[in-house]
Amino acid sequence: RKEVEQDPGPFNVPEGATVAFNCTYSNSASQSFFWYRQDCRKEPKLLMSVYSSGNEDGRFTAQLNRASQYISLLIRDSKLSDSATYLCVVNNGGGSYIPTFGRGTSLIVHP
Amino acid sequence: NAGVTQTPKFQVLKTGQSMTLQCAQDMNHNSMYWYRQDPGMGLRLIYYSASEGTTDKGEVPNGYNVSRLNKREFSLRLESAAPSQTSVYFCASSEAWDNEQFFGPGTRLTVL
Repeated sequence: RKEVEQDPGPFNVPEGATVAFNCTYSNSASQSFFWYRQDCRKEPKLLMSVYSSGNEDGRFTAQLNRASQYISLLIRDSKLSDSATYLCVVNNGGGSYIPTFGRGTSLIVHP
Repeated sequence: NAGVTQTPKFQVLKTGQSMTLQCAQDMNHNSMYWYRQDPGMGLRLIYYSASEGTTDKGEVPNGYNVSRLNKREFSLRLESAAPSQTSVYFCASSEAWDNEQFFGPGTRLTVL
């Protein structure tokens, strides 16, 4: 089982829709979590960190569920410009400094 | 501030040639990383440097070497390029190992 798993999609949604992605991780010692956005042929850019209590940034909400070992990203009122690949990243504790990326979830927002 | 810069942006090599990918960051970050990204495989960590003076293997280190030249610079070397190393290479840096990473624009490498 891969350490960090994401549904590759694509998620194809109309403008204005609400869409949610999950990302599961296998290492219970994981300590920090992030969502990145990657546009086609560009570098990944941080979308938001994921905090234990959950956090919101405008239309984006991130949640962490340690018991079930997953993080989620909710996008409300989708815009055409939200079309991208969304990568989750898990940083493990226990002396390992290796961040692990999921393979990404593709989102396509159509008019 | 330029953030993370990478050179070259594009490169074509023949099998067996060597080359070095350069990466520099101006954010005074302690940790630096080299990834490769292939279709359907996501980002895979090749090597990382948790702090100046240290380097460690990541998930796919075979065929690569790295040098943390100083706090700013982290280079990736391919000693004898193979077609399997055709990929997009990203360098990244972070203040500490568990912080957000900032990525360079990538190097698109083709090995014929």
